[in-house]
Amino acid sequence: GQQLNQSPQSMFIQEGEDVSMNCTSSSIFNTWLWYKQDPGEGPVLLIALYKAGELTSNGRLTAQFGITRKDSFLNISASIPSDVGIYFCAAAEDSGGYQKVTFGIGTKLQVIP
Amino acid sequence: DGGITQSPKYLFRKEGQNVTLSCEQNLNHDAMYWYRQDPGQGLRLIYYSQIVNDFQKGDIAEGYSVSREKKESFPLTVTSAQKNPTAFYLCASSSGRDGNIQYFGAGTRLSVL
Repeated sequence: GQQLNQSPQSMFIQEGEDVSMNCTSSSIFNTWLWYKQDPGEGPVLLIALYKAGELTSNGRLTAQFGITRKDSFLNISASIPSDVGIYFCAAAEDSGGYQKVTFGIGTKLQVIP
Repeated sequence: DGGITQSPKYLFRKEGQNVTLSCEQNLNHDAMYWYRQDPGQGLRLIYYSQIVNDFQKGDIAEGYSVSREKKESFPLTVTSAQKNPTAFYLCASSSGRDGNIQYFGAGTRLSVL
């Protein structure tokens, strides 16, 4: 099946620092999604990207749909303790009339106050 | 409040026992999904259903069964054939229009006694 290579797998940062994580693939996708998962909870959608080159912000979060449609990145500016969690990228493609969504392995973010 | 409700939050299974995880949504979504989450492995698709009375196997369907008798409900049974059932199980749903955006429940943690 399709694979998304998400990196880094984990990171420790100081409160106030900016964070960057990305997802790459050898396949082309029509949608890129970024989710955040708090411990013991389900993932929550942060940003959805629909067009190649699209740059979208949600508060301190910014994500971009790569121009090749094979990658995406998520930036978090001025991190705060509640940013702690696992961030997943996901990408969707048409598969026989069904939108098949593939998830990355996740980036575990720890913020040191 | 619209959303996806998973129950129970925690479940224990004895060896040789079948257990059923509940997933209910009031978002009027056509499609529903079950994922298994293990540490460091991201989300793996167990089963999905695009419409009532129809469902398809995902990447790791062995040892699991589902039904979709109502639009709102997509229960997952972990059978005794699943030899390593300990994991965090996530249910999701998506609409026909934004089929590539999946909304998740809070998850059920299944452990073996």
